Amino acid sequence: DTGVSQDPRHKITKRGQNVTFRCDPISEHNRLYWYRQTLGQGPEFLTYFQNEAQLEKSRLLSDRFSAERPKGSFSTLEIQRTEQGDSAMYLCASSGEGGADTQYFGPGTRLTVL
Amino acid sequence: AQSVTQLDSQVPVFEEAPVELRCNYSSSVSVYLFWYVQYPNQGLQLLLKYLSGSTLVKGINGFEAEFNKSQTSFHLRKPSVHISDTAEYFCAVKNTGRRALTFGSGTRLQVQP
Repeated sequence: DTGVSQDPRHKITKRGQNVTFRCDPISEHNRLYWYRQTLGQGPEFLTYFQNEAQLEKSRLLSDRFSAERPKGSFSTLEIQRTEQGDSAMYLCASSGEGGADTQYFGPGTRLTVL
Repeated sequence: AQSVTQLDSQVPVFEEAPVELRCNYSSSVSVYLFWYVQYPNQGLQLLLKYLSGSTLVKGINGFEAEFNKSQTSFHLRKPSVHISDTAEYFCAVKNTGRRALTFGSGTRLQVQP
């Protein structure tokens, strides 16, 4: 079990550019989550997948954000036309079956928008 | 809606002293409760969780937490801290009908020699 992995770990971009992040969950987990964490705050939920279906989206997920999990394994989070307010740590988590579905987090991707 | 309040943003403590990090939550339905630790520039690591049963929960690295339903609290404790415990600690709640975790704003534990 290699845990949840995320790529890249750091991304610096200019305002207006598009960026894409990847998350590989724990292999046997069918649930995958994206969170955003700004400096000095706890993570905030963005979206949730069960297998390839995106079942829940937060109001934080504006139209510029899109997430996919095409084959029910890895997931991508794309931000179009980045803004300085998008600068944050983007965390991915995965969980298995069960009502409590304890979430295990990856190391995160830190995005800096200049 | 549910919310989590971590009453202390920073807790300085000397090495080998006991520590308590406070967490209160509000929810109109049953919840599961979690504590995560975050070291600098890293993701979150699960310390412990309360799902049901015994209200005293033991986790990794010598931490424990007690669920108090009447006071809607889930305080984290450790009898003797180490320098390596210096990190940010997050309390989180998940209600039994949803998948998303709701986190508190975190408590920075600073262990001094």
